[in-house]
Amino acid sequence: NTKITQSPRYLILGRANKSLECEQHLGHNAMYWYKQSAEKPPELMFLYNLKQLIRNETVPSRFIPECPDSSKLLLHISAVDPEDSAVYFCASSQGRSNERLFFGHGTKLSVL
Amino acid sequence: GQQVQQSPASLVLQEGENAELQCNFSSTATRLQWFYQHPGGRLVSLFYNPSGTKHTGRLTSTTVTNERRSSLHISSSQTTDSGTYFCAIVADSNYQLIWGSGTKLIIKP
Repeated sequence: NTKITQSPRYLILGRANKSLECEQHLGHNAMYWYKQSAEKPPELMFLYNLKQLIRNETVPSRFIPECPDSSKLLLHISAVDPEDSAVYFCASSQGRSNERLFFGHGTKLSVL
Repeated sequence: GQQVQQSPASLVLQEGENAELQCNFSSTATRLQWFYQHPGGRLVSLFYNPSGTKHTGRLTSTTVTNERRSSLHISSSQTTDSGTYFCAIVADSNYQLIWGSGTKLIIKP
């Protein structure tokens, strides 16, 4: 499935800044960032609908989302913490009501 | 708040056996979905099934909304079915997905 692409696939960081990228080719209006820690279900971080941030969960301020257009999503991370080690998934759906979510491959972030 | 509970937490079967996974939820307004997570991490949407029965290949999802439950049936299981299966519902209040804890399925050859 190459309809939602994420980069990079793997990321190893010290206390550095980095951005995750996502692009969807499904024509969906809503895009999401999810964080999944080991052995747990995904947790919603951010939701964009038609480029507007309409749900900003209580995530640390070092995570900053950006939606340059309706098919692209970025997640800027600054000064990562070891607790940020997880897999970060981009997802999209036709509308903002989470109906039929489609996920990207994910970016596995390991913080040294 | 709304809750989702899945059972069993883990299930080990021999190849060829059928698997039955359960999902119970606390609200009648669900917009329920089933997801499959590969052992390598990839998440795939299996069914969007707010009510009734849906089939795809060897998989069948049945949601009985007024009984607040859904099931996922896998017939003639294969080793490639191994992974974690999640169900999730949409919260009425904020449209956020509420996830169950998942069922880890292991199919032995």
